[in-house]
Amino acid sequence: EIVLTQSPGTLSLSPGERATLSCRASQSISSNYLAWYQQKPGQAPRLLIYGASSRATAIPDRFSGSGSETDFTLTISRLEPEDFAVYYCQHSWTFGLGTKVEIK
Amino acid sequence: EVQLVESGGGLVKPGGSLRLSCVASGFTFSSHSMNWVRQAPGKGLEWVSSITTSSRYIYYADSVKGRFTISRDNAKNSLSLQMDSLRAEDTAVYYCANMARGVFDFWGQGALVTVSP
Repeated sequence: EIVLTQSPGTLSLSPGERATLSCRASQSISSNYLAWYQQKPGQAPRLLIYGASSRATAIPDRFSGSGSETDFTLTISRLEPEDFAVYYCQHSWTFGLGTKVEIK
Repeated sequence: EVQLVESGGGLVKPGGSLRLSCVASGFTFSSHSMNWVRQAPGKGLEWVSSITTSSRYIYYADSVKGRFTISRDNAKNSLSLQMDSLRAEDTAVYYCANMARGVFDFWGQGALVTVSP
């Protein structure tokens, strides 16, 4: 069973800063099946990135994904106030534990 | 517009049963595998169960196997989750979500299930 480890657990940043979130798989996975989600309090998760690097519909281009094999990254180039949330990576039926991006 | 609307959540005693429903619109329901994903209070996301388009293949997380039953009715664009022998650790918001390209494309708003004496 593949385990996804996200780091850091919490990222404290200011609006306008760059956020870099990591997702590491316990074994090599196809980048075709690595996705990222954003979840705000009281809301359902929202698909951001699929296939490791493809943005979902209506996702702003400040969000980008990269990586392969065991190491994947979600980058938010310049944080907007609405980007402070929890982010999860996913492969098949497995989710990482999430990274909370909070306002510093 | 894609919509997934869950219903059936509530408070139930340990050992009790509850049935969740999810009605889909805005996409071809019968062409998508469907899933239940849950989130315990303050915790992360946990996949619960998946059913393929024609119900031929059904999968469960080990944590619910033998207690939960997933089903679908393509004629009614509906997905269900029958939850029996409920435990305190089943307390969570339950989301229905479709799956396409190996990702959970769209999510419902969630249904809260609370298992407590």
